[in-house]
Amino acid sequence: DAKTTQPNSMESNEEEPVHLPCNHSTISGTDYIHWYRQLPSQGPEYVIHGLTSNVNNRMASLAIAEDRKSSTLILHRATLRDAAVYYCILRDSSNSGYALNFGKGTSLLVTP
Amino acid sequence: GAGVSQSPRYKVTKRGQDVALRCDPISGHVSLYWYRQALGQGPEFLTYFNYEAQQDKSGLPNDRFSAERPEGSISTLTIQRTEQRDSAMYRCASSLATGGFGEQFFGPGTRLTVL
Repeated sequence: DAKTTQPNSMESNEEEPVHLPCNHSTISGTDYIHWYRQLPSQGPEYVIHGLTSNVNNRMASLAIAEDRKSSTLILHRATLRDAAVYYCILRDSSNSGYALNFGKGTSLLVTP
Repeated sequence: GAGVSQSPRYKVTKRGQDVALRCDPISGHVSLYWYRQALGQGPEFLTYFNYEAQQDKSGLPNDRFSAERPEGSISTLTIQRTEQRDSAMYRCASSLATGGFGEQFFGPGTRLTVL
């Protein structure tokens, strides 16, 4: 399975943008890039996903490199509630890519 | 609407006892997943159901672990002859899509402690 690499931790100031990187150099053409996050003491929650084009939703934006070997999750204005572990996950659409392979993720600290 | 619910939220048991963990998915969700999460780690996949059919159990660590979803709704994860290494957070998730590719919604988890 294709793997992802993320920094262990990042820190941001409140109300500033945050760019969370993810490397996936062995990504295949049928892999979607998914992001989930896990707030303290809660279960993971879906954030966003994409295949080739950049994606926006109410929570975040996903910027995907042209060669698809990396992507960046963008939180436009970090709040204290965005402090969480963020997981970048590849899901293969060519078969039943149902199992989410979470890895260790990036722990985001947001300071006031 | 109601999200995924799990019970009990906390379970303390003695080594060698059997435990049953319950998951009640979001109404209408056909796919159901079980994960296990150790402290400081991301969740690890255990098993997946599409309706009542267990499509994949490759993540179950050994034959002491089993799961069922007899009517395609509520699921039970059973651990027989528990061991201390089974202590973890057990999380259930469900998704609307068949084939298991949709957004997964997670429950609050069951914290299992084996003494």
